[in-house]
Parts: sequence; C-alpha cells; structure tokens
Amino acid sequence: DSGVTQTPKHLITATGQRVTLRCSPRSGDLSVYWYQQSLDQGLQFLIQYYNGEERAKGNILERFSAQQFPDLHSELNLSSLELGDSALYFCASSALWRVSNGELFFGEGSRLTVL
Amino acid sequence: AQKITQTQPGMFVQEKEAVTLDCTYDTSDQSYGLFWYKQPSSGEMIFLIYQGSYDEQNATEGRYSLNFQKARKSANLVISASQLGDSAMYFCAMKDSNYQLIWGAGTKLIIKP
Repeated sequence: DSGVTQTPKHLITATGQRVTLRCSPRSGDLSVYWYQQSLDQGLQFLIQYYNGEERAKGNILERFSAQQFPDLHSELNLSSLELGDSALYFCASSALWRVSNGELFFGEGSRLTVL
Repeated sequence: AQKITQTQPGMFVQEKEAVTLDCTYDTSDQSYGLFWYKQPSSGEMIFLIYQGSYDEQNATEGRYSLNFQKARKSANLVISASQLGDSAMYFCAMKDSNYQLIWGAGTKLIIKP
C-alpha cells in the first residue's frame, strides 16, 4: 500500500460528459502528480501541484483541469469527454516539489472508460 | 529532446533464470536520474530502483540491479532468479532537467513455470 488513495477505481461514462477524479496523497507529501496511461502505453505527465500551487504542466488538454486543495488532496476534472480519453489515470505524490532520488508513490489508478 | 527507449515490447523467460530488460536514454543534461517501475496486471505502479547519473556504482535492490553504462546511455534492469510474480509490465523512466519523469513505452515480461 503506497498510501496514495484514488477514487473512483473504475468509471464508465459517455462521450461529452464530465468526470472528476480524486486523489489523496501520502500523509505529509506536498506534491501531487497526475499521469495518463492509455492502453499499452507509457505514462504521460499531465500536471503537478505542490502545496496548492501548480508546479509544472505537461501534455494536459484544455478540456482537462486540476487543482490541489488546502488539505492537499487533488482533483482532476475531465470534460467534453472523447473516446480517446479512455485510459488509466494515475495520481502520484512525493514529499518535495521535485523528483530527487526518491521515488514517486503511486495510487492504484482510476480507470476511465468513455463509451 | 529527452527520450527513453525500451526496445523489447515483450519477453518470455523461464522461471529462476535471470532476465535483462533494456533501456536506453537520450539527454544532454549532465545531471539526471533513471528509474525502473513495475506494473502488475492489477495496475498499480511499483518503484523498483533508482540510479543517479553521478553514482559510480550500479544500484542494487534485492533481486533487482541496474546495469548503468553511461557512455552507451543505457540503464538496463537485471532481475536475478526470476519468479512467477515478476510477470508484469516494466517501465524505465528518466528525471529530466525540470525534475519531471519521462517514461518509456514499457516491456511486458512473462515468466514461464
């Protein structure tokens, strides 16, 4: 158990809809990362928050947004969903604002299926 | 551009044999880090091992070791005495100059009994 909690674990929705994925980082971790993993692909970095502030942005679509709340949990909002948004969405946390020689702690992922 | 390449989409290995998973990287940074993660069929990402670019010795963690060849820009993962539970996807990743991780496409490892 990494200590990172993601909900929901599975989500099925229709094109055009909006969903919210939630992540609670490990206790004490200030940094939250969001990644997208499409079928049989590596991870694509979406966005990072550190202590409530956006720290870095990757390949995140304009239809997607995220935020980190004062209690450090984070939400990833996906809107106007398309079939290609079907993927496993990971949240990871770390203590520092940057990846050092320590690992990122990953949640179990939220599997989104868009029909 | 920084890039991670894993050339083996899939591998079959007999149980108890050692296995080497290939990873090459491309970066112009002098300081960087390389990671290996395991993703079982259940989906979670599990950190295995880390190698810093200035580390002179190859990293080892139990049955995992990282064969780091800086001049060749390779960071292969070696799993000794493979077990059925080692069957999973394995990802190589590199910490870039912005401290973000760049990921390879992964290698699917299947251990045969």
